[in-house]
Amino acid sequence: NAGVTQTPKFQVLKTGQSMTLQCAQDMNHEYMSWYRQDPGMGLRLIHYSVGAGITDQGEVPNGYNVSRSTTEDFPLRLLSAAPSQTSVYFCASSYGSGGEQFFGPGTRLTVL
Amino acid sequence: GENVEQHPSTLSVQEGDSAVIKCTYSDSASNYFPWYKQELGKGPQLIIDIRSNVGEKKDQRIAVTLNKTAKHFSLHITETQPEDSAVYFCAADTGRRALTFGSGTRLQVQP
Repeated sequence: NAGVTQTPKFQVLKTGQSMTLQCAQDMNHEYMSWYRQDPGMGLRLIHYSVGAGITDQGEVPNGYNVSRSTTEDFPLRLLSAAPSQTSVYFCASSYGSGGEQFFGPGTRLTVL
Repeated sequence: GENVEQHPSTLSVQEGDSAVIKCTYSDSASNYFPWYKQELGKGPQLIIDIRSNVGEKKDQRIAVTLNKTAKHFSLHITETQPEDSAVYFCAADTGRRALTFGSGTRLQVQP
């Protein structure tokens, strides 16, 4: 099992550009989520999904879109990048709510 | 929604000493409390968790205690080693959404 994989590992964008952060898991987990990690603020939930075709907003959803067409994949789209979106992004998956979440290695994004 | 506060933000101990990290939560519906360890450049990894029907859980040098009445839970690491140096996060889960994390504690174990 590869677990949770994320691509790219690093990315630099200019303000206004768009991009998609990829996340995939091979554990057949229903729950998937995206967090961003900023210094001194822990991990904050952006969007999450409880299964294919079902997504919902987390704590900081503005500026991000998600979709879940398959159980395995949960991409995060930045529509028009802003410097405030400079952060490290983590994707996570779990079998269900209230269970261990498995995290990917993260994507470090810089928006100039 | 849920709010989780974590203290201290940094903790330095001598090798062999104990380390304690404390968290409080706000939502009485929370019923799952995991602790994650994050090493530099990596994603968080679960080290121990506890559910609301249990007051204490231990796994070798690591233990977690939960006080539901006071809405706080703590991580205890005994006989600390240099490889315990990392950032530790507590979290709470109400069972309705993904985890709400504390702000993290940077633990440094001095050899």
